Amino acid sequence: EIVMTQSPATLSVSPGERATLSCRASQSVSSNLAWYQQKPGQAPRLLIYGASTRATGIPARFSGSGSGTEFTLTISSLQSEDFAVYYCQQYNNWPPRFTFGPGTKVDIK
Amino acid sequence: EVQLVESGGGLVQPGGSLRLSCAASGFTFSSYEMNWVRQAPGKGLEWVSYISSSGSTIYYADSVKGRFTISRDNAKNSLYLQMNSLRAEDTAVYYCARDKVIGILDYWGQGTLVTVSS
Repeated sequence: EIVMTQSPATLSVSPGERATLSCRASQSVSSNLAWYQQKPGQAPRLLIYGASTRATGIPARFSGSGSGTEFTLTISSLQSEDFAVYYCQQYNNWPPRFTFGPGTKVDIK
Repeated sequence: EVQLVESGGGLVQPGGSLRLSCAASGFTFSSYEMNWVRQAPGKGLEWVSYISSSGSTIYYADSVKGRFTISRDNAKNSLYLQMNSLRAEDTAVYYCARDKVIGILDYWGQGTLVTVSS
């Protein structure tokens, strides 16, 4: 099983600042990586897939990069609605054994 | 507008069974693969099961294999998860999620809570 890790566990950021979240895979997943945002009491929302492609309707302040085992989600200027938990997920396996990272909570500094 | 609405959750005793449903609308359900993903209280996300658009290809996480059965009825635009031999560790919110391309989960339902407890 491919194990996903994320750092930091919690990131305290002021509105308007830049946030950089990291995700690491235990083995190469190529670019088969997605990022999701989850707010309390809500379902996850797809932000990024293919490591760097924004999903429909996602603002340009969200960007993804990386390939292989190291990935980054950057939020260029945090808005109040961006405070949430962010999960990375690999989908490189077939048969599917999709695995998620433990999440990074972005909270208000 | 794409909508996924889960139902069927509730409180069940260990060893019991429950059937979850997911009603889909706003897209051509029969053209999309679907997944179930769960989230234990205060925890992260865990993929549970995958079903192809026709229902002919199915996969499960090791943690539920042999106990859970995924199925779909394309005529009814519905996805199901039959859960048997439930354990305390199956307690979670269960989400159905549309699969944009294998493993990219682009739309999620609001979830249904399953609690396994005596």
